[in-house]
Amino acid sequence: DAGVIQSPRHEVTEMGQEVTLRCKPISGHDYLFWYRQTMMRGLELLIYFNNNVPIDDSGMPEDRFSAKMPNASFSTLKIQPSEPRDSAVYFCASSSRFDNEQFFGPGTRLTVL
Amino acid sequence: QQQVKQSPQSLIVQKGGISIINCAYENTAFDYFPWYQQFPGKGPALLIAIRPDVSEKKEGRFTISFNKSAKQFSLHIMDSQPGDSATYFCAASIVEGKLIFGQGTELSVKP
Repeated sequence: DAGVIQSPRHEVTEMGQEVTLRCKPISGHDYLFWYRQTMMRGLELLIYFNNNVPIDDSGMPEDRFSAKMPNASFSTLKIQPSEPRDSAVYFCASSSRFDNEQFFGPGTRLTVL
Repeated sequence: QQQVKQSPQSLIVQKGGISIINCAYENTAFDYFPWYQQFPGKGPALLIAIRPDVSEKKEGRFTISFNKSAKQFSLHIMDSQPGDSATYFCAASIVEGKLIFGQGTELSVKP
């Protein structure tokens, strides 16, 4: 398996624009997680899904953030409108119901100017 | 109650030395305690994990020590190498799938 795949790897956009981050989890995994990492706040869980259903979105900072998982092999995290304070590295991770280990993707580095 | 507190924020160790990173938690319902390692430009990756029914787990040069009564656990890296230089995160799990991460420790091993 290729591991968790994220795209794009880097995104530079201007304030007010819509940003869509994409994730393909490891095949067969039941859980999918979206994290945000910054120097100030560390690694924050934004939302996670179990079998494509959102379970806990309490970490989503505000209504500008939304996440979807239309099927077991694809998820998106959308920010609209984007703001400079959204600049961070966004990670997607997946895990199996048989094992707590989370496998992280390479991340998307988002810069909002 | 859901927090996991990690210390120190940064650590510098000489090659061959022992690196020790500590974590503390409040919620006694946590039942899974992993450590993740992250290299610059990469996502975190599981290094070693422990459940509260054992007090210690060793994998190569990496050891987790777990103190249930004190609600603390620590990562020991023996014979630290420059290649161990990375950021280390402790974490804890209470609900299937969901991890609560510590703030991270940036380890630098000097040759």
